[in-house]
Amino acid sequence: AAGVIQSPRHLIKEKRETATLKCYPIPRHDTVYWYQQGPGQDPQFLISFYEKMQSDKGSIPDRFSAQQFSDYHSELNMSSLELGDSALYFCASSLRERYEQYFGPGTRLTVT
Amino acid sequence: AQSVAQPEDQVNVAEGNPLTVKCTYSVSGNPYLFWYVQYPNRGLQFLLKYITGDNLVKGSYGFEAEFNKSQTSFHLKKPSALVSDSALYFCAVRDEGDSGYALNFGKGTSLLVTP
Repeated sequence: AAGVIQSPRHLIKEKRETATLKCYPIPRHDTVYWYQQGPGQDPQFLISFYEKMQSDKGSIPDRFSAQQFSDYHSELNMSSLELGDSALYFCASSLRERYEQYFGPGTRLTVT
Repeated sequence: AQSVAQPEDQVNVAEGNPLTVKCTYSVSGNPYLFWYVQYPNRGLQFLLKYITGDNLVKGSYGFEAEFNKSQTSFHLKKPSALVSDSALYFCAVRDEGDSGYALNFGKGTSLLVTP
């Protein structure tokens, strides 16, 4: 079965640079979520989209923005990167009425 | 506000023995509860969920969980542990009445199954 695809899998950036993470949800899933998992931490919800509209906002810094496109893929844009942004970034998708979310393999962002 | 607590940072079990990973929750309404497993440098894999109905929920890889409303718990169980079950396990909750659909995760419990 098709899974959530994330790219790139690994990304190294310097402080104050920008990064763009991409997510391709499972086909026909209508909701996309972004989570951040710091080292040894639980995943923290950043933002979600339902049918291409922002539906919920969590602890996403103002330096970050996201959108969902007409083909349902989503991008997380991160600017003015800080050392503390180093983390695993997960995208998840779901069918809203099914409740469970399916996670991608994550993008490991390292800020140096 | 909604939250999840996983009281054990690590659980050690011998292969073949039953395992339990504990989870308690706090929500203002009815809970939607989930268990996920994470292997090193991998994404989270969905194991099972409780939305409504039977308190005993069966999931993937022989795992099951029991919803206990009076104790606000949703412990993950497996009758006979395998070495390959060694991983990080996360409990997550969402409040039925919450307009957002994001999951709130516990801190995770590391399960180590020894041969």
